[in-house]
Amino acid sequence: DVKVTQSSRYLVKRTGEKVFLECVQDMDHENMFWYRQDPGLGLRLIYFSYDVKMKEKGDIPEGYSVSREKKERFSLILESASTNQTSMYLCASRIPGTGIGYTFGSGTRLTVV
Amino acid sequence: GQQLNQSPQSMFIQEGEDVSMNCTSSSIFNTWLWYKQDPGEGPVLLIALYKAGELTSNGRLTAQFGITRKDSFLNISASIPSDVGIYFCAVPGNTPLVFGKGTRLSVIA
Repeated sequence: DVKVTQSSRYLVKRTGEKVFLECVQDMDHENMFWYRQDPGLGLRLIYFSYDVKMKEKGDIPEGYSVSREKKERFSLILESASTNQTSMYLCASRIPGTGIGYTFGSGTRLTVV
Repeated sequence: GQQLNQSPQSMFIQEGEDVSMNCTSSSIFNTWLWYKQDPGEGPVLLIALYKAGELTSNGRLTAQFGITRKDSFLNISASIPSDVGIYFCAVPGNTPLVFGKGTRLSVIA
């Protein structure tokens, strides 16, 4: 089975810190995605990448950036964390062959204080 | 962007009851997906639907692709405590998947 691993389950950071959320998938998937999940708002797409060194903005990219230097790793960066970025962050990788199905990581719950 | 209207937002049911939830859109889609998110985990794909009118089962779960291609339904029969979680519908958008806001299911033993 494809595994998507997010490096931290819980993080607490201070306002203004630069924060890195790491995601690694163990198959050769081209496509990777970052979502944030907030109560009542569902899953909102932040950024995605269809291949190494490629990135595309999602619906809510403001305050975030990403890095995809290797196919298996997709990093989400909060340049200067703010309290309104307190959320659950989910990384996903696309299942090969279907063109549509995702495998999600277990999520990182980030609290910015 | 595309929006999916998922209802109900939350449900509290007794163990053993059947559950129904649905997802609607103003746009037509050729694929509907249903995911479940267990507490503290990422969503997992439950059922994928590829044809209008299609009815697909996965154990006690049954999902239907609406005949208009603008909606989909998920039913859970004889609910058990491990059915607790958030259920999401999703469709392929112009780029990545578009998700509904989810139905939070609580099961009272």
